[in-house]
Amino acid sequence: AQSVTQLDSQVPVFEEAPVELRCNYSSSVSVYLFWYVQYPNQGLQLLLKYLSGSTLVESINGFEAEFNKSQTSFHLRKPSVHISDTAEYFCALQGGSEKLVFGKGTKLTVNP
Amino acid sequence: DAGVIQSPRHEVTEMGQEVTLRCKPISGHNSLFWYRQTMMRGLELLIYFNNNVPIDDSGMPEDRFSAKMPNASFSTLKIQPSEPRDSAVYFCASSQRGPAGELFFGEGSRLTVL
Repeated sequence: AQSVTQLDSQVPVFEEAPVELRCNYSSSVSVYLFWYVQYPNQGLQLLLKYLSGSTLVESINGFEAEFNKSQTSFHLRKPSVHISDTAEYFCALQGGSEKLVFGKGTKLTVNP
Repeated sequence: DAGVIQSPRHEVTEMGQEVTLRCKPISGHNSLFWYRQTMMRGLELLIYFNNNVPIDDSGMPEDRFSAKMPNASFSTLKIQPSEPRDSAVYFCASSQRGPAGELFFGEGSRLTVL
């Protein structure tokens, strides 16, 4: 069975502070890994994904995630957050089929 | 380009009533997914289709739930009879078939069963 664990359900931070949202996964097959973001009252949007190659992947708005196979992790980081980054972030994996398995999400709240 | 379109955005109904949620995927996408989101269980995949054919419905909770995709541009998720525990946000998503395809989500249908 495949699973995704997001260790923190809520992460409050101050504006311009760094943030890390943690994600661990379990799978018996090779996987693709994703981070999706959900703004209030909206659907999910793809933030970034790891397919192969460089283990560090970046989004256009300053987030990055590093695939660590030995630790089965795919943590999301941003060196300096903005108020507009307030949203819920979902880690997901895909392996062996088209199904995306999501974690339970981490609510990031950026305070002024 | 229009994204994934879901209707209704909000539905309030009474226990025992039939509920039908609708989804129009992005044109050209041939995979369609129905997800349910609740506080307790997070995002759960209910069913997905490839080229209008149901591929995996193992996430459908029970016989009260059914989903159809009569053509490439329309899908429905039906709950009959509805129960309070079905209250959730139901998302439809579509993608181009293939590994690691990006899912494009609709804005969701918020269902409240009283």
